[in-house]
Amino acid sequence: SQQGEEDPQALSIQEGENATMNCSYKTSINNLQWYRQNSGRGLVHLILIRSNEREKHSGRLRVTLDTSKKSSSLLITASRAADTASYFCATDKGSARQLTFGSGTQLTVLP
Amino acid sequence: NAGVMQNPRHLVRRRGQEARLRCSPMKGHSHVYWYRQLPEEGLKFMVYLQKENIIDESGMPKERFSAEFPKEGPSILRIQQVVRGDSAAYFCASSPPEQIYEQYFGPGTRLTVT
Repeated sequence: SQQGEEDPQALSIQEGENATMNCSYKTSINNLQWYRQNSGRGLVHLILIRSNEREKHSGRLRVTLDTSKKSSSLLITASRAADTASYFCATDKGSARQLTFGSGTQLTVLP
Repeated sequence: NAGVMQNPRHLVRRRGQEARLRCSPMKGHSHVYWYRQLPEEGLKFMVYLQKENIIDESGMPKERFSAEFPKEGPSILRIQQVVRGDSAAYFCASSPPEQIYEQYFGPGTRLTVT
């Protein structure tokens, strides 16, 4: 699989439920970020977690990072219909500024 | 503070024509990145520029594609002699010097080659 591979590819839940998305990567990283993309739109930066951090919160978002397993998870609590979007993780290696994106998880929150 | 601006938002070109995509970074941002997104896929890095310099073009196709970020004006991604496979969404991102890993994305230009 590619660097920054999200799982599942698609997720459909009811409003109010929690949504969990996972991201795995292959090589060592400096930072891992999560972005949201609404259909036909640009990307919105959600949260950045550094390689020496294990967990980070921002509002209803909780991100974990396990560098030993080369994986990260994004938890959205109390989901809303407006959370419907594609979610991408992106990694950087520090020396190079380019971000490497996964193929994304399509989240659908049903009202 | 306006976000990253891209224009046009949609561009239709016939095979063999040239496509020019423009990106104005956020105010105070001196680093620009171009990414390409094919349908149902994630973004793929193309090129990273600072004013008047190409820093990393490892993701750029060797032929027909070029990018610049002049001292004055927007960054330009140019695709010469477009082919159907160039049809994609092209996103520009910018970052300030002090927060080099948080990139702020524009709305994208959707290129369709007919």
